[in-house]
This record gives sequence, structure tokens and C-alpha cells, in this order.
Amino acid sequence: KAGVTQTPRYLIKTRGQQVTLSCSPISGHRSVSWYQQTPGQGLQFLFEYFSETQRNKGNFPGRFSGRQFSNSRSEMNVSTLELGDSALYLCASSLAGYSEAFFGQGTRLTVV
Amino acid sequence: ELKVEQNPLFLSMQEGKNYTIYCNYSTTSDRLYWYRQDPGKSLESLFVLLSNGAVKQEGRLMASLDTKARLSTLHITAAVHDLSATYFCAVVPKETSGSRLTFGEGTQLTVNP
Repeated sequence: KAGVTQTPRYLIKTRGQQVTLSCSPISGHRSVSWYQQTPGQGLQFLFEYFSETQRNKGNFPGRFSGRQFSNSRSEMNVSTLELGDSALYLCASSLAGYSEAFFGQGTRLTVV
Repeated sequence: ELKVEQNPLFLSMQEGKNYTIYCNYSTTSDRLYWYRQDPGKSLESLFVLLSNGAVKQEGRLMASLDTKARLSTLHITAAVHDLSATYFCAVVPKETSGSRLTFGEGTQLTVNP
């Protein structure tokens, strides 16, 4: 069966711009979580969506937002990009958020 | 604030040897995950441990969970080069609804011929 699909895979943006990343979970999975991975901070939780509602939120500024659609696909938006937002953004899907979480290939965002 | 600590952070071992990676966490939890990451790639799920005393094995890897000690171990038996990767443990606090993984720093494993 198809895995978790993230688009785009690579992105280069300029400081001050905004960006939207997309995540399509495994069919039947209703929980989608987002993580940021950087060499300095490691893997950090951004937020989790379940049935179109944000269920958990990490400690990131309000510039980071997300949403989930009725088909469980999720988008993450970062506004007013900063150089420090350069990272690998990973999304994970699971059935309901309590079982195994499967990760997508990630979106590599570079802010210049 | 939940803290998850792995040790060692770097591990260089010879093929055929055994070793253990440790994952300690600071709060009550009964959900612990192990992942593998190859350079430039995403995270591959290895094990999900959902109860005290849980033990799971896949090939040369075996993971266990002791919720009372707040400790999980990932044991590598007779290492081979293909196991070279970074291994992460991740924990969800017991009172959390849904999925909110807090990751350890990762253990970078290099298996030398």
C-alpha cells in the first residue's frame, strides 16, 4: 500500500516569504503529525491533527500553522520565513495517533 | 518538560560484535518507539513498545521497555555493515492524547568490517 507522501521534496525560499508543505497520509490513517529536524535541535514536534482538529501543539511560534482536510491530507504553513527555519520537515501518519507512526520522505526547506 | 536521553550518541563497532543502545526518559510513559534514519533519508519505524516488559525482535535488533525504570534498550546482535545508521528512540507521555513524540538525540552507529 502507498506510504506517506510529502510534497514538494525540496524547496528554496527567501527570508520573509511564506511556504506551504503538503502531506498525504496512508489510506485510512486519521492522525497526521509534523516534525522539524535540524542538526542543532534534532527532531522537534510541531503539531498533530486528528479528524480535522489540532489535537497537540509543540513549542513553535505562531508563524507555524497547519490544517487537515476531510480526506486526512494535511498542510503546514510557515509565514515570514527566517533563516533558522531551514530544516527537514517530516510528517507522520498513524491510524488514530496511538499506534505505529509512519514517516514520509520529508520536505527539505532552505531559506536564503 | 519531558527529556529523552540516549547513550551513547556515537558508536563505532566491528562486524560480529554485540552492543546495546540505551534510552532514558524523564516522565511516565507506556508508549516508546524506535526509528532508524539513513543519511539524507526519512525515519523508518523499527519497534513500537506499548507496555512494561515489552520485548520485540526483528533480525539482529531487539528492543525492550522497562516503564518503572523509564528505560528502553535496543540490543544489536552480531552487527553487520548494513546496520550503520542513526537510531532514535521517541516517547509519548502517559497523559497525552494522540501522537506527540519526543525524540532522543539519536545514536549514530557505524559498523566497520
